[in-house]
Amino acid sequence: AQKVTQAQTEISVVEKEDVTLDCVYETRDTTYYLFWYKQPPSGELVFLIRRNSFDEQNEISGRYSWNFQKSTSSFNFTITASQVVDSAVYFCALSGPYGGATNKLIFGTGTLLAVQP
Amino acid sequence: GAGVSQSPRYKVAKRGQDVALRCDPISGHVSLFWYQQALGQGPEFLTYFQNEAQLDKSGLPSDRFFAERPEGSVSTLKIQRTQQEDSAVYLCASSRGDTLNTEAFFGQGTRLTVV
Repeated sequence: AQKVTQAQTEISVVEKEDVTLDCVYETRDTTYYLFWYKQPPSGELVFLIRRNSFDEQNEISGRYSWNFQKSTSSFNFTITASQVVDSAVYFCALSGPYGGATNKLIFGTGTLLAVQP
Repeated sequence: GAGVSQSPRYKVAKRGQDVALRCDPISGHVSLFWYQQALGQGPEFLTYFQNEAQLDKSGLPSDRFFAERPEGSVSTLKIQRTQQEDSAVYLCASSRGDTLNTEAFFGQGTRLTVV
């Protein structure tokens, strides 16, 4: 069975603080994809990153970075120097071997990030 | 259009009423997904189309839920005899579906409230 756990329900930080959102997953697939999506109050899910199970290199994109560790089945997301505009619900998701193209996504319950000015 | 468009954005239905939710995917996108997002939860898969073929409907919660995509473009999710537990945001997503390196793009959803 596939499962995604985001243990942090809500996180509140002050602007410019760094924050890490945790994601732990379970799957029996040997090939799979992991995702992070951002959901602002408007409701639309905004794609942030996709990672396949064979690529454990950490990735950095501006203030965002992702740490994928297969040994602990984790795919954590760090925002450096957080800004008020980062306030949103963040979802971690898992799919089978065809990524988002044809496989359904299994989402965690989300982490609400509130960045205070 | 540039993105996935869903209509209506908000729908209030009386219990027992039938509703139809529309999704206009990105032009040319082969794959189309419907998800249901209850308040405070992550989206949950309902059904998947590849062109007009409904390849996976394992997530539909009951036979009151029905989805179609007759011409492989616009899709409609229909809920018959709505119940209060159907209240949720219904999200549609589409993707090119032709390579491994594509992701699904989501619409803003339809918020359904059953009273």
